[in-house]
Amino acid sequence: DTGVSQDPRHKITKRGQNVTFRCDPISEHNRLYWYRQTLGQGPEFLTYFQNEAQLEKSRLLSDRFSAERPKGSFSTLEIQRTEQGDSAMYLCASSGVGRPKNIQYFGAGTRLSVL
Amino acid sequence: AQSVSQHNHHVILSEAASLELGCNYSYGGTVNLFWYVQYPGQHLQLLLKYFSGDPLVKGIKGFEAEFIKSKFSFNLRKPSVQWSDTAEYFCAVASGGGADGLTFGKGTHLIIQP
Repeated sequence: DTGVSQDPRHKITKRGQNVTFRCDPISEHNRLYWYRQTLGQGPEFLTYFQNEAQLEKSRLLSDRFSAERPKGSFSTLEIQRTEQGDSAMYLCASSGVGRPKNIQYFGAGTRLSVL
Repeated sequence: AQSVSQHNHHVILSEAASLELGCNYSYGGTVNLFWYVQYPGQHLQLLLKYFSGDPLVKGIKGFEAEFIKSKFSFNLRKPSVQWSDTAEYFCAVASGGGADGLTFGKGTHLIIQP
């Protein structure tokens, strides 16, 4: 499968714990995006990278959230001191530089449950 | 800040009925517009997109959408739905060059009854 892959698919954690998710984009894509989706809502943009540079962060991305893409390939999203309100599906998407460069392809997501 | 409004949160149709899902966005500049679909248990997939040119765009599985700039709308249509079209449909917009994050609507849950 050469699509966007995310790991793990499901994560259950206790309030206050730290969690980290990984996203592997489509190999030739230089842009990588993180979104959060809660029940009954559309995905909400969190942040995006062009290569290893984090170019935009949403106001939704509190200080407890940090994302990295150290070598311009895979990315990690870490949530520190998780809260019950962090329970959601975390989606990763990637897009490329060639045409059609502005189409984002999504992974299956990581579902986080904070108890 | 831009926003996207999808008028119908739940739609139930019988097979062979015609479909139109409404989508309006609030952004005055150049936009790229998308419809994504999420089938049960699957990830988001692109149905169709509008970047420029012909405002009537065709996508996969017989879907089409019309961009009406004066109405800030990008409604999704299909003349005859199938049971396999049961899914969640999301309208999304990206401003300017389109490299930024997408702004999604809340989605429409479509159920097709056989």
